[in-house]
Amino acid sequence: DAGITQSPRHKVTETGTPVTLRCHQTENHRYMYWYRQDPGHGLRLIHYSYGVKDTDKGEVSDGYSVSRSKTEDFLLTLESATSSQTSVYFCAISRLAGEGDTQYFGPGTRLTVL
Amino acid sequence: GDSVTQMEGPVTLSEEAFLTINCTYTATGYPSLFWYVQYPGEGLQLLLKATKADDKGSNKGFEATYRKETTSFHLEKGSVQVSDSAVYFCALSDSTGNQFYFGTGTSLTVIP
Repeated sequence: DAGITQSPRHKVTETGTPVTLRCHQTENHRYMYWYRQDPGHGLRLIHYSYGVKDTDKGEVSDGYSVSRSKTEDFLLTLESATSSQTSVYFCAISRLAGEGDTQYFGPGTRLTVL
Repeated sequence: GDSVTQMEGPVTLSEEAFLTINCTYTATGYPSLFWYVQYPGEGLQLLLKATKADDKGSNKGFEATYRKETTSFHLEKGSVQVSDSAVYFCALSDSTGNQFYFGTGTSLTVIP
């Protein structure tokens, strides 16, 4: 199994509070991704990173920001959480992009915004 | 834009039955195609993949063939087991490889 951890694994917070989720990898992979999983939508890409300090938006980036100051860590921040951001968040990593390189997923973080 | 459409579930089968989960895609260029599986409470795991037309991906008795003419990547298994009960996701990566698009997932339950 790829060495990917996410923290926290579960979080309950209130509307309007900031929340930061952390993804940590031990594989030294260049690419890291944040997805959210919601019933009826599958997984949707929020942001991704193609190197330290290099990030780009995905399909559903509004309300989220990311940072990557080290190869191994990719942080997802909800500046002011809303109930619509209640979801399960998955981090993924890949060694390369293109040519069908595989993404490896972390165990997920279940976030509830009350 | 690129997208993936897979058959809705849930699907319930008896052990040893034949499984097909349909997946079609829309993409520009030459995407790579994937099937991922998610067991309860876990993240997604790669099941199989194909990177070019007519490629067949296979793993653990599951197979899928990249059909460019029908823009499809249907998942099949000849004889399912109870341990195959999970949610299956079809996905594609675009030509740059930077963007992944997932289907909505198909829940499979196999009963003894």
